[in-house]
Amino acid sequence: QKEVEQDPGPLSVPEGAIVSLNCTYSNSAFQYFMWYRQYSRKGPELLMYTYSSGNKEDGRFTAQVDKSSKYISLFIRDSQPSDSATYLCAMKAAGNKLTFGGGTRVLVKP
Amino acid sequence: DTEVTQTPKHLVMGMTNKKSLKCEQHMGHRAMYWYKQKAKKPPELMFVYSYEKLSINESVPSRFSPECPNSSLLNLHLHALQPEDSALYLCASSYRDRGRNTEAFFGQGTRLTVV
Repeated sequence: QKEVEQDPGPLSVPEGAIVSLNCTYSNSAFQYFMWYRQYSRKGPELLMYTYSSGNKEDGRFTAQVDKSSKYISLFIRDSQPSDSATYLCAMKAAGNKLTFGGGTRVLVKP
Repeated sequence: DTEVTQTPKHLVMGMTNKKSLKCEQHMGHRAMYWYKQKAKKPPELMFVYSYEKLSINESVPSRFSPECPNSSLLNLHLHALQPEDSALYLCASSYRDRGRNTEAFFGQGTRLTVV
């Protein structure tokens, strides 16, 4: 079993819809949670970072962390075609090692 | 400024060549990373430097040799690579604040092709 599970998609939504992404994890030592967006052949771009349970909002993005259920989510409101990309969740414990989910490919159709 | 700069953007090298990848950040981050990413896969950790010392080596073959000359620079020296080493090589950095790791920022990567 992988430490971090993420549905590979693809997830196809119409423009303006809410995109809902999630990851589950098995390692209870994970304390820091990140969401990255990656366009084809580019490096991952940090979208959200959090280290506590609850919600964090930044513009159209909302990150949720539920440590008791070992579950994190990312919501993208008012989705745009430019949001079409692969979204990676990542998390780490107290050390430096970042563990990624497999990524979810998202397609926002005009 | 949250920029991690990697050079070159693209590199084609033969199996007998020696080349180096470079990474630079000026955010005061003291942890720097090398990742390898194959198509349609997540990044895989190769090395971590913490305060300019190698702290993690994920059993990477010796044909990959990392170097951290100072707190802003990270190099990856390549020698006698195989075609299966072709991938996107990503550099990242993060800050340590009172023992707490912050988020990691990635560069745009070097797309390496071994012929």
